[in-house]
Amino acid sequence: DAKTTQPNSMESNEEEPVHLPCNHSTISGTDYIHWYRQLPSQGPEYVIHGLTSNVNNRMASLAIAEDRKSSTLILHRATLRDAAVYYCILRVVQGGSEKLVFGKGTKLTVNP
Amino acid sequence: DTEVTQTPKHLVMGMTNKKSLKCEQHMGHRAMYWYKQKAKKPPELMFVYSYEKLSINESVPSRFSPECPNSSLLNLHLHALQPEDSALYLCASSQLAVTYEQYFGPGTRLTVT
Repeated sequence: DAKTTQPNSMESNEEEPVHLPCNHSTISGTDYIHWYRQLPSQGPEYVIHGLTSNVNNRMASLAIAEDRKSSTLILHRATLRDAAVYYCILRVVQGGSEKLVFGKGTKLTVNP
Repeated sequence: DTEVTQTPKHLVMGMTNKKSLKCEQHMGHRAMYWYKQKAKKPPELMFVYSYEKLSINESVPSRFSPECPNSSLLNLHLHALQPEDSALYLCASSQLAVTYEQYFGPGTRLTVT
């Protein structure tokens, strides 16, 4: 299975931007890059996804390297509510069905 | 309604018991998933159902038996579990499309004694 590598933890201050990196050197041409986050005692929550181009939505931005071997999730202004485990995930196709292959996740701490 | 509901929230069962976990969604999604999550680990995919048919089984032991009675409901039947099966069991659903967002439920916390 395609794999992603993320730092175990990162810290940020409130109101500052946060850049969460992810390496996926074995990504194939059809694999989408997804990011989900998981707050304590909750199920994962979708953040953003992309294939080749950079993407923006109301929650975050996703910057994808030209060779697609790495990507960065950008939270433009971190808030205390953004403290969570952020998973970099590859969406792969297996036997005609799609599945998410989760990385180990980065625990983001946001300091007031 | 973008909610996936799971019942029960917590379950304690003995190794000889038979129990079931239930998951429901009313978003019209045609793909549903079961994941297992151990403490401080990422979710691991167990099963995928597409159009109520099992499409992916990630080599899960037969003591876990999934069932999709209709497009809104997903069950996970449990029998003769081991203590190491104690975990958070997450259900998710999504549209069947090239790109999609999975909606996760809050999970069932299972303890096997």
